Amino acid sequence: GENVEQHPSTLSVQEGDSAVIKCTYSDSASNYFPWYKQELGKRPQLIIDIRSNVGEKKDQRIAVTLNKTAKHFSLHITETQPEDSAVYFCAAIVSGGYNKLIFGAGTRLAVHP
Amino acid sequence: NAGVTQTPKFQVLKTGQSMTLQCAQDMNHEYMSWYRQDPGMGLRLIHYSVGAGITDQGEVPNGYNVSRSTTEDFPLRLLSAAPSQTSVYFCASSRETGNTEAFFGQGTRLTVV
Repeated sequence: GENVEQHPSTLSVQEGDSAVIKCTYSDSASNYFPWYKQELGKRPQLIIDIRSNVGEKKDQRIAVTLNKTAKHFSLHITETQPEDSAVYFCAAIVSGGYNKLIFGAGTRLAVHP
Repeated sequence: NAGVTQTPKFQVLKTGQSMTLQCAQDMNHEYMSWYRQDPGMGLRLIHYSVGAGITDQGEVPNGYNVSRSTTEDFPLRLLSAAPSQTSVYFCASSRETGNTEAFFGQGTRLTVV
């Protein structure tokens, strides 16, 4: 199947804490794993992505890790701030015909001051 | 560059009516796609295109048609609207076949009564 599972569906943290969102995928041929942030009423925007030839990628307070053997990848946000509050989506490329970008169900992150 | 432009932003249809959601991009992207966003279900792929003249079905294609006569435009047609098609629709484009950053339009909020 073309599944991307994402957990948790909601996450509430205190400002300054870390937040971790996890995703699993089923297509062993998947080689591209982006993360998108969607603020309320806005369009999704890419915040970080990782390809299958690396295990970890960092960009300031955001990092993504990939375990291809276990077919899971995670988003890590450190020192969370109220402006990090949003819905976060993981995604994976699945094959079968042409490549398709399939999204997880999303995680609603709330950062409380 | 305007990026990805969707029209209309809001639409109310009666059950059984037909309509076309417009999507245009000015980035010369080959890959375009349509997603619907429903609460708790993330972004689900409806149809996608890897270039002019080439389209394929996504996860939830029933009730929708697409065509890609030019690189710039990728309209989504609802042939006979149903209340189950009430959703927010996003068009997206990317430079390569799904495995580079997807740029989203601002979305169309469709209500079918």
